[in-house]
Amino acid sequence: ETGVTQSPTHLIKTRGQQVTLRCSSQSGHNTVSWYQQALGQGPQFIFQYYREEENGRGNFPPRFSGLQFPNYSSELNVNALELDDSALYLCASSLGSGAKNIQYFGAGTRLSVL
Amino acid sequence: GQQVMQIPQYQHVQEGEDFTTYCNSSTTLSNIQWYKQRPGGHPVFLIQLVKSGEVKKQKRLTFQFGEAKKNSSLHITATQTTDVGTYFCAGPPSGAGSYQLTFGKGTKLSVIP
Repeated sequence: ETGVTQSPTHLIKTRGQQVTLRCSSQSGHNTVSWYQQALGQGPQFIFQYYREEENGRGNFPPRFSGLQFPNYSSELNVNALELDDSALYLCASSLGSGAKNIQYFGAGTRLSVL
Repeated sequence: GQQVMQIPQYQHVQEGEDFTTYCNSSTTLSNIQWYKQRPGGHPVFLIQLVKSGEVKKQKRLTFQFGEAKKNSSLHITATQTTDVGTYFCAGPPSGAGSYQLTFGKGTKLSVIP
């Protein structure tokens, strides 16, 4: 497949809790983007990390935060979980942050908030 | 903000029939990318089109990028059951520093054997 791995695959949390999702990028890729995909919708851009710095952000509140590590792996943290945060969270890695760089998606983490 | 719309939302076809999905952006795109997501799976990159009016083919799939770089289409000839899934278009707006991919809601294709 793509070489992008995400963990865990499934997660169940209750409202108000905090969650951390992890992503290992494909070898040689220095850019990681995170997306939220609600049921029946297209992926929605959360933010992108390039060389350990946030490189842009979609329309998501500050309780969605992230990190990128020196090995280019990344974390997505969501605080104060809400029911609407239930979704498939996708990580995509690319070689560079430019518009023409192809993004390769991991299998995702399915988060259920009860 | 930028919006990307896809029609139809759903398409049911008999195996062997052709299928087309259309994608329209509210802003000019730097490029257009197409992804396929199988049921229960994740988006898988199919192709990228960059030039105005570009047409690319992959076996039974034909991709087209409009002259104004605001619309695109994907046409599948003689569908097979392996074509089942949701097809998404996605593109960053044109302009310096624009890299954020905006996805359409996708077209879900069902193929009846």
